[in-house]
Amino acid sequence: GQQVMQIPQYQHVQEGEDFTTYCNSSTTLSNIQWYKQRPGGHPVFLIQLVKSGEVKKQKRLTFQFGEAKKNSSLHITATQTTDVGTYFCAGSSGSQGAQKLVFGQGTRLTINP
Amino acid sequence: NAGVMQNPRHLVRRRGQEARLRCSPMKGHSHVYWYRQLPEEGLKFMVYLQKENIIDESGMPKERFSAEFPKEGPSILRIQQVVRGDSAAYFCASSPQGGRRTEAFFGQGTRLTVV
Repeated sequence: GQQVMQIPQYQHVQEGEDFTTYCNSSTTLSNIQWYKQRPGGHPVFLIQLVKSGEVKKQKRLTFQFGEAKKNSSLHITATQTTDVGTYFCAGSSGSQGAQKLVFGQGTRLTINP
Repeated sequence: NAGVMQNPRHLVRRRGQEARLRCSPMKGHSHVYWYRQLPEEGLKFMVYLQKENIIDESGMPKERFSAEFPKEGPSILRIQQVVRGDSAAYFCASSPQGGRRTEAFFGQGTRLTVV
């Protein structure tokens, strides 16, 4: 079945440094979504990418969807302590809705203030 | 708009007991999805329901697990004869439609502990 791999599993940075997490799917995706989960919290939707090669920005966050629609990345510029949490990518390739999502294992970001 | 409501937030069950997890979708949403999250892992799809219909249960274990979304009331995820391996966070998500380009709104989850 479809698999979504995400690396790295953990990332520790100094506040102000940049952070990137990468996501790779074993199959071509119709769309990819990114979520953030704080410790003890629930996943919160960040963004959805649909088009091949798409790039979207949200303030310090930049999201990319690969040309082949099999990989994606999230880049955070100049991290802040509020960025702490686990970032998940989630892909959909079927016809039964975006929410039959296959999640990556997540990248846990910790920050040294 | 209260968002997706799950209860209880925390549930402790002894091995062999039954666990019932409830999910009320956001107002106006008719599609519900259940996910399970083991510690330090991502979310695993379990089941997708619309009112009175199970659309996709390909992620549900074959035994002891069942889900429903009745015409009235919340969606229920039921786990019979729980075992320690069922300990996890169970998240419900809802959307207004089942199309491909709809974000998921997650509830705060039910953390099940089996002792």
